[in-house]
Amino acid sequence: EAGVVQSPRYKIIEKKQPVAFWCNPISGHNTLYWYLQNLGQGPELLIRYENEEAVDDSQLPKDRFSAERLKGVDSTLKIQPAELGDSAVYLCASSLMAVGETQYFGPGTRLLVL
Amino acid sequence: AQSVTQLGSHVSVSEGALVLLRCNYSSSVPPYLFWYVQYPNQGLQLLLKYTSAATLVKGINGFEAEFKKSETSFHLTKPSAHMSDAAEYFCAVSIAGRRALTFGSGTRLQVQP
Repeated sequence: EAGVVQSPRYKIIEKKQPVAFWCNPISGHNTLYWYLQNLGQGPELLIRYENEEAVDDSQLPKDRFSAERLKGVDSTLKIQPAELGDSAVYLCASSLMAVGETQYFGPGTRLLVL
Repeated sequence: AQSVTQLGSHVSVSEGALVLLRCNYSSSVPPYLFWYVQYPNQGLQLLLKYTSAATLVKGINGFEAEFKKSETSFHLTKPSAHMSDAAEYFCAVSIAGRRALTFGSGTRLQVQP
């Protein structure tokens, strides 16, 4: 069974440029998460989807970040414009919808903003 | 709100020695508890999880953890460390009302030959 797929794996951009990350969850997983992981820290939730609906986006900086999950499968996270402080690893995870279900993580996208 | 504290950002053990990584949680409702491992430039991989069944949970690669409600702890142990265990370990908690994981800050495990 294929795991969570993310692309690109690495991205280097200049500040003020836009950037987008893509995630394909495990087949059949209706819940999808985007986490932000700063260097030396644990991941922090940005947004959680159940099917197409964003049900927890309280930690998403909505002035520059946006996300979508069309058709309840793949998801895209966008930053526009990027700032130096956005340099981090962006992790996507997926799970079944039941409480306590294991979240399976992708390899992440490492973003460097210059 | 739930939170996780991992004591010790770095732990170093000799190969063959006991591994003990500490995790304490705070939650006003019964929690689900997880340990994940992260190797360099990779995502997180589940080691084990507690979901209110047995308090002693066995995971992959010889790791296990014990849920102690009275101590609000979920420490991770392995009887004998292997060089391949060197990685970053994260403890995480989720509750019924908010399924997203709240992670600790991680513990980097070094295994000395």
